[in-house]
Amino acid sequence: QVQLVQSGAEVKTPGASVKVSCKLFGNALTSYIMHWVRQVPGQSLEWMGWINAGNGNTKYSQKFQGRVTVTRDTSASTAYMELSSLRSEDTAVYYCARWGYLFIDYWGQGTLVTVSS
Amino acid sequence: EIVLTQSPGTLLLSPGERATLSCRASQSVSSNYLVWYQQKAGQAPRLLIYGASKRAAGIPDRFSGSGSGTDFTLSITRLEPEDFAVYFCQLYDNSLLTFGGGTKVEIK
Repeated sequence: QVQLVQSGAEVKTPGASVKVSCKLFGNALTSYIMHWVRQVPGQSLEWMGWINAGNGNTKYSQKFQGRVTVTRDTSASTAYMELSSLRSEDTAVYYCARWGYLFIDYWGQGTLVTVSS
Repeated sequence: EIVLTQSPGTLLLSPGERATLSCRASQSVSSNYLVWYQQKAGQAPRLLIYGASKRAAGIPDRFSGSGSGTDFTLSITRLEPEDFAVYFCQLYDNSLLTFGGGTKVEIK
């Protein structure tokens, strides 16, 4: 069955970068657009960007442009999200999610990234 | 960029009551790309409604969506204990994804 499995929790210091992985089981990654969405504790969902895993095209939220990079490794059926220049406000749960053409149909379990000195 | 405003922020209701949640877009949008999710604490969101009014697979018929243009509504008739959660609307427009701020449905 379809499953998105993300990498484990991370603790980073301000100014560092974090790279979160998301492995798709049950389907070919190249058939999908993969979104990255974050959620600061107690707050709403915030879209960061997507990658077309078939051709590698990306689109980013203006808020994160220049700080976020989404990539994929098709041979590993894995998408990645790297966020740089981390600050305390980036402490959040980061989700990968599969786009089903009209909606997100599958979500990863979430990865908690804590930014603290 | 389109902004989605959800109201109210919190809804205090009792099991068995009806919940009506609002999602307003800052400009007219295509209902094809208006989606509702439910999220419980510690879990990823769960798809409820897509295309503004179509129930996702396995979603009980007490959940319904309606609306067009700038105003969309999620209704839950006869709240069950498992329905107390946070609800988000989401729009896909011009290759961008936007989420509303969420409505928390709490037990009174």
